[in-house]
Amino acid sequence: DAKTTQPPSMDCAEGRAANLPCNHSTISGNEYVYWYRQIHSQGPQYIIHGLKNNETNEMASLIITEDRKSSTLILPHATLRDTAVYYCIVRVDNQGGKLIFGQGTELSVKP
Amino acid sequence: KAGVTQTPRYLIKTRGQQVTLSCSPISGHRSVSWYQQTPGQGLQFLFEYFSETQRNKGNFPGRFSGRQFSNSRSEMNVSTLELGDSALYLCASSSTSTSGGGRGTQYFGPGTRLTVL
Repeated sequence: DAKTTQPPSMDCAEGRAANLPCNHSTISGNEYVYWYRQIHSQGPQYIIHGLKNNETNEMASLIITEDRKSSTLILPHATLRDTAVYYCIVRVDNQGGKLIFGQGTELSVKP
Repeated sequence: KAGVTQTPRYLIKTRGQQVTLSCSPISGHRSVSWYQQTPGQGLQFLFEYFSETQRNKGNFPGRFSGRQFSNSRSEMNVSTLELGDSALYLCASSSTSTSGGGRGTQYFGPGTRLTVL
């Protein structure tokens, strides 16, 4: 079973920031939080990952709470092309390459 | 750098047949993982190969198998196809064995859409 909980869907206005929450209350100290997104019927696209510090790259920012029990993915200026299913995944390091995907959040960016 | 490539992109088979799907990882990546995606079950891990050895396996029947070659390319095979095997099959590559420390971010290919009639 996935170790994360995400809202099933969210809407965001084009040009505004999209803030996607994720709950991972049972995360272990050495587990990372990964975010991927999947545009319809394409392969998932890696976005960002982090352990405990906030992270930023050219796609998004990841804010992890101090207790590490939740995180937020921020798309600073959402565009229509950001419409996708976003998956928050806790990396089970001792399970090798296994990523456990939950149901994700379906983000709809509207004009 | 070229991304992960998968062939074929689309495939139609009938029940009872077998199928082989191919995945070429990003150059320099030695780990290849396979996933199955269906509307009912979502994305599920099938297995991972690293340096030609299976390192991890998901909860799928033995009809699902795979292998990895010395150039890191990987194939997965499904024998005795069932209607329920219709799915998008995805492979992902990463630069190290993905155990330990959060290393080895996985990058996915576009997938092979398998339809079983």
